[in-house]
Amino acid sequence: GAVVSQHPSRVICKSGTSVKIECRSLDFQATTMFWYRQFPKQSLMLMATSNEGSKATYEQGVEKDKFLINHASLTLSTLTVTSAHPEDSSFYICSAAERRGTDTQYFGPGTRLTVL
Amino acid sequence: GESVGLHLPTLSVQEGDNSIINCAYSNSASDYFIWYKQESGKGPQFIIDIRSNMDKRQGQRVTVLLNKTVKHLSLQIAATQPGDSAVYFCAEYNGNQFYFGTGTSLTVIP
Repeated sequence: GAVVSQHPSRVICKSGTSVKIECRSLDFQATTMFWYRQFPKQSLMLMATSNEGSKATYEQGVEKDKFLINHASLTLSTLTVTSAHPEDSSFYICSAAERRGTDTQYFGPGTRLTVL
Repeated sequence: GESVGLHLPTLSVQEGDNSIINCAYSNSASDYFIWYKQESGKGPQFIIDIRSNMDKRQGQRVTVLLNKTVKHLSLQIAATQPGDSAVYFCAEYNGNQFYFGTGTSLTVIP
């Protein structure tokens, strides 16, 4: 149980294009989903928290117009990197929690984004 | 800000030996902790968690110890196997959000 999937697993795009990453909870309903960014050999950096049916809460320094998050259902959240640039290249990981607060976060497998 | 750090950034152990990975946290109000394992190119995988009303919790080959007095968390892996090679993160919940440690890279030597 508690499986989270991400799609695509890897994407390479040209600078200036937009990329959408999907995060799905496969066997549970996720009230809250989180989006992280991870640089090589570094820890996870929380970008935003999204609750189903409401606007995402972005961490300080994360541009909400750059990283669009939609949590339209209890099993799906999407992250769209708009007008991607090479500095947006990174490993993006989502996690999902069944309830808010201390409920365990289950992570997706990650999406490797490379912007040329 | 929060500070969740690991004492050892890298750890090498012989196959079959026990491994101990340490984590220090700074917020004494944190009441929930999780250990995650992350293999190269993959997302973090939940290993074990512990709440602040406990000081020890055991899973399959893993044990988490919590010392609230010194704000220290450890993960013990028994009979370490090559498949245990990965980066291990501790995560601390402070009542508002989780904070993740830097990570310790565990290498198991066959």
